Amino acid sequence: GAGVSQSPRYKVAKRGQDVALRCDPISGHVSLFWYQQALGQGPEFLTYFQNEAQLDKSGLPSDRFFAERPEGSVSTLKIQRTQQEDSAVYLCASSGGSGVGSNQPQHFGDGTRLSIL
Amino acid sequence: KQEVTQIPAALSVPEGENLVLNCSFTDSAIYNLQWFRQDPGKGLTSLLLIQSSQREQTSGRLNASLDKSSGRSTLYIAASQPGDSATYLCAGADQAGTALIFGKGTTLSVSS
Repeated sequence: GAGVSQSPRYKVAKRGQDVALRCDPISGHVSLFWYQQALGQGPEFLTYFQNEAQLDKSGLPSDRFFAERPEGSVSTLKIQRTQQEDSAVYLCASSGGSGVGSNQPQHFGDGTRLSIL
Repeated sequence: KQEVTQIPAALSVPEGENLVLNCSFTDSAIYNLQWFRQDPGKGLTSLLLIQSSQREQTSGRLNASLDKSSGRSTLYIAASQPGDSATYLCAGADQAGTALIFGKGTTLSVSS
């Protein structure tokens, strides 16, 4: 596609429910990143995929957070047993290079705004 | 661990002014430094990427500089327009990893 697409744009869930957020990267992009952005803050790194391999998940805040990219294209971020502090905008980015060191810019989607009641 | 700071947090200027946004980082060993623009309710739009071997990049009315020795980057916007109103974020690559480390951003308002 022309850009990174994320769905849904908005998600409201009750505390304790599981949610799944989808990211469609730019076609052919090797690298895919997930970030979490709290209100008034810059995005914070969650996890990174190179093709289908999850090479870095150091930013995932707890074992309730799980991400996958089984065929090296679409990625899903899953949050189990959601809590109020999970409320944030979740941003997905893709890059044509293999990691940040390749000096290729990251292209971001519009994000999913998650609200936990 | 890399830390990125942006000053000021907010800036208001009249249309036509030239302005400078500042970004500082703690670890001079960065792979690259990237500037983004974020409009309300939207994702990030990449503006400029400066590789560690470069000192500046230019795109239209925008010019970004990188001084690794002092741990600073600046984004210069010439002849500002109301359409430039947005939040501007800088981000540096962690030396050892793949993540971008972001500042909190500078929210710019350009009045007509």
